[in-house]
Amino acid sequence: ETGVTQSPTHLIKTRGQQVTLRCSSQSGHNTVSWYQQALGQGPQFIFQYYREEENGRGNFPPRFSGLQFPNYSSELNVNALELDDSALYLCASSFPGQGSYGYTFGSGTRLTVV
Amino acid sequence: GEDVEQSLFLSVREGDSSVINCTYTDSSSTYLYWYKQEPGAGLQLLTYIFSNMDMKQDQRLTVLLNKKDKHLSLRIADTQTGDSAIYFCAERAGANNLFFGTGTRLTVIP
Repeated sequence: ETGVTQSPTHLIKTRGQQVTLRCSSQSGHNTVSWYQQALGQGPQFIFQYYREEENGRGNFPPRFSGLQFPNYSSELNVNALELDDSALYLCASSFPGQGSYGYTFGSGTRLTVV
Repeated sequence: GEDVEQSLFLSVREGDSSVINCTYTDSSSTYLYWYKQEPGAGLQLLTYIFSNMDMKQDQRLTVLLNKKDKHLSLRIADTQTGDSAIYFCAERAGANNLFFGTGTRLTVIP
């Protein structure tokens, strides 16, 4: 059983650019959530996708957007990058009804905006 | 809104017990979780507790929940150097997301 995989592991972008981060959910999991973890902070919920639709969103501006594909993999897109977007971006997957038992997290993508 | 608070640092000697504490504000939380994060890694789910329980034990881990005081603790028995990491308390906020504390950095001294 494969876990949650994210790519790339590290990324450096310039302010104003756009970035796409990718996530493959754990086998059998059809719900994907994205979190932003700034240095020294706990993860903050960005949004969740279930059956290719957004299924809840945290306090992030619209320039943070996402997609989920039929194979349940997901992308996080961030437009007009700002310096404060520098963080570890974590993807988590779960199966409906099993989210109560916790989400499986990937190792994250570390994004640096310069 | 939700607020989860944890102390930032904890140091213990190898072999001793560690107790990591957490307070939360959302009384409607149904599940509470403990995650572990090692340097450069993602989050590893250690254990969870349902809000109608007051204790859960899983090998070296004991979770205590005081729902009246909205206080959650994680006790690690016989702490080892491999337990050095950041530990996050999280509550389930709404139907589909977790709200995390800022994490407690546990340092185990050999």
